[in-house]
Amino acid sequence: TQLLEQSPQFLSIQEGENLTVYCNSSSVFSSLQWYRQEPGEGPVLLVTVVTGGEVKKLKRLTFQFGDARKDSSLHITAAQPGDTGLYLCAGGASGGGADGLTFGKGTHLIIQP
Amino acid sequence: NAGVMQNPRHLVRRRGQEARLRCSPVKGHSHVYWYRQLPEEGLKFMVYLQKENIIDESGMPKERFSAEFPKEGPSILRIQQVVRGDSAAYFCASSRGTRRNTEAFFGQGTRLTVV
Repeated sequence: TQLLEQSPQFLSIQEGENLTVYCNSSSVFSSLQWYRQEPGEGPVLLVTVVTGGEVKKLKRLTFQFGDARKDSSLHITAAQPGDTGLYLCAGGASGGGADGLTFGKGTHLIIQP
Repeated sequence: NAGVMQNPRHLVRRRGQEARLRCSPVKGHSHVYWYRQLPEEGLKFMVYLQKENIIDESGMPKERFSAEFPKEGPSILRIQQVVRGDSAAYFCASSRGTRRNTEAFFGQGTRLTVV
């Protein structure tokens, strides 16, 4: 069974600070996706990384896929209250889409103004 | 372009009743996936369907749960004889395919409460 461990589980920081959240596994994934979910809503895809060592940037968000494709990180620069939400990582075994994705439990992020 | 539409958004059922959850995928998407999310838990994969076919149901309980995606109409997740443990948020996602980088879109979910 493939498992994804996300850390920290909860994070509360002040507006303007930087933060990094992690997604780790002992399994290799062909792709790794990051989602953001707000209360009462479905997950919204932020990024997909497929190549070991890949780095993708989305405005103030930087995503990295580990060289061995077992882990990933999400770094947010100058966090804003609008970044508040549940951040989920999900690993794909067959290379993308939502084909039987394995999800982590998420990091609850609160950005205080 | 409408996204994934799920209905109802909220569903309350008494123990022993049946629950039917509907999912209309993004127009043009022929792949549908159902996930269940319990409080403080990640989303758990249940079933993957293409039009009229179940491709992977490894995450779906063998009893009381069934899913279909007919040629015409929405995908249906059906839970018979619901029990309190079935209370959860059920999410549907759709994609155009399963190739690398094929983006999947999630619906807003159906929150099932069994009383």
